[in-house]
Amino acid sequence: EAGVVQSPRYKIIEKKQPVAFWCNPISGHNTLYWYLQNLGQGPELLIRYENEEAVDDSQLPKDRFSAERLKGVDSTLKIQPAELGDSAVYLCASSLSAAGTEQFFGPGTRLTVL
Amino acid sequence: GQSLEQPSEVTAVEGAIVQINCTYQTSGFYGLSWYQQHDGGAPTFLSYNALDGLEETGRFSSFLSRSDSYGYLLLQELQMKDSASYFCAVRAGYSGAGSYQLTFGKGTKLSVIP
Repeated sequence: EAGVVQSPRYKIIEKKQPVAFWCNPISGHNTLYWYLQNLGQGPELLIRYENEEAVDDSQLPKDRFSAERLKGVDSTLKIQPAELGDSAVYLCASSLSAAGTEQFFGPGTRLTVL
Repeated sequence: GQSLEQPSEVTAVEGAIVQINCTYQTSGFYGLSWYQQHDGGAPTFLSYNALDGLEETGRFSSFLSRSDSYGYLLLQELQMKDSASYFCAVRAGYSGAGSYQLTFGKGTKLSVIP
């Protein structure tokens, strides 16, 4: 069974540029999460999807971040414009449902903003 | 709000036993999870405790005391490959946000030495 797939694995951009990250969850997993992980910290939830609906986006900085999961399968997280402080690892995770106790994480996208 | 406390670093000898503690403060507590993350890798699920007591899975065990808001991860017969960061994470429910949210601690970096 394929795990959670993310691309790109690494991205280097200059500040004020836009950037997008893509995630394909495990087949059949209805719940999809985007997390941000700073160096030496634990993952922090940005947004959670139940199928195509964003049900918890309270931690998403909506002035510059946006996300979509149009068909309830893969998802895209976008930052526009990027700031120096956005440098971090962006992790995608999925679970069978919101009630699932186990989340499966992808390898993440390491973003560096110069 | 929620807070979790766990030691930042632990060093142990190969073959030994190590315990990583986690204390938490939260409302709407459902359970405590543990995740392992190797450098540059994805967090992977280790265990979940919803009830008081000890859960054993091979060399790893996890304990929860809900009355003390405390849990620990016990690693036995340490191997070099166990060198990684270990995160405790509280699973809590919020009526306004839907079902559950996972909040991670800052992680404990375990170094296993020969």
